[in-house]
Amino acid sequence: KQEVTQIPAALSVPEGENLVLNCSFTDSAIYNLQWFRQDPGKGLTSLLLIQSSQREQTSGRLNASLDKSSGRSTLYIAASQPGDSATYLCAVNSGYSTLTFGKGTMLLVSP
Amino acid sequence: ETGVTQSPTHLIKTRGQQVTLRCSSQSGHNTVSWYQQALGQGPQFIFQYYREEENGRGNFPPRFSGLQFPNYSSELNVNALELDDSALYLCASSLARGGQNTQYFGPGTRLTVL
Repeated sequence: KQEVTQIPAALSVPEGENLVLNCSFTDSAIYNLQWFRQDPGKGLTSLLLIQSSQREQTSGRLNASLDKSSGRSTLYIAASQPGDSATYLCAVNSGYSTLTFGKGTMLLVSP
Repeated sequence: ETGVTQSPTHLIKTRGQQVTLRCSSQSGHNTVSWYQQALGQGPQFIFQYYREEENGRGNFPPRFSGLQFPNYSSELNVNALELDDSALYLCASSLARGGQNTQYFGPGTRLTVL
C-alpha cells in the first residue's frame, strides 16, 4: 500500500526566503507525482506534475524534483511571497489515475 | 473549456440522513474520481468511475456509493450519515483512466454532519 509523507507539517518564513518542501513515498512504482496548492476551505490547484521518467519540472518560482528510486520529491519555492501562504500537498499516481496524498505542509510567509 | 464543477458548495445534514453530491467533469473527460478530505488531512480516494462503471474503490464502506451518467457527470451518495463524514468532498476528472493522465479537481463540497 502506497504511503506518502510530507515534512515539515508546518513552516513559517519571512518574505523573500527560498524554501524547500519535502515529500516521500513508499512504493517507487509510480506513473507521476503532482504538487498541489490548497487555500483554506478551497479546492486543489495543480502546481506541477512530474512524470516518472522526468527528474524535474519548473514553473516560474517553483521547481519540483523527483528521485523515483529513493521515493522522494522536493518542491523548491524561490523568493517566497505572502501570497504563497497556503497548504502544499504532494500526491503520487500509482495507476488508473487514483492519487495517494500526503497530509500537506502548511506554509506561512510573513511580510 | 469548462472546468470541473461541483454542487452544492456547502451542505449541512444531521446524523442518519442521506446526501447526494454532484460533479460535472471537464469537457471530454470520461473518468471521474471522488476524494474525501477531513480537516487537517490529505484527500483520501473514495472511488473512481470510468464510462459509467465503478473502476476502483478505496477503503470506504458500502454506504458510500456513486453513479456516472452518459454525459460523464457523476454523483456521490452517502447513506446513514455519521459525524465523521463531515469533510470536504472533492471530485476530479481525467481524460482517461490510464495512469499517466492528469486529474483536474473541482472546488469541492463542504459537508457538515450534526
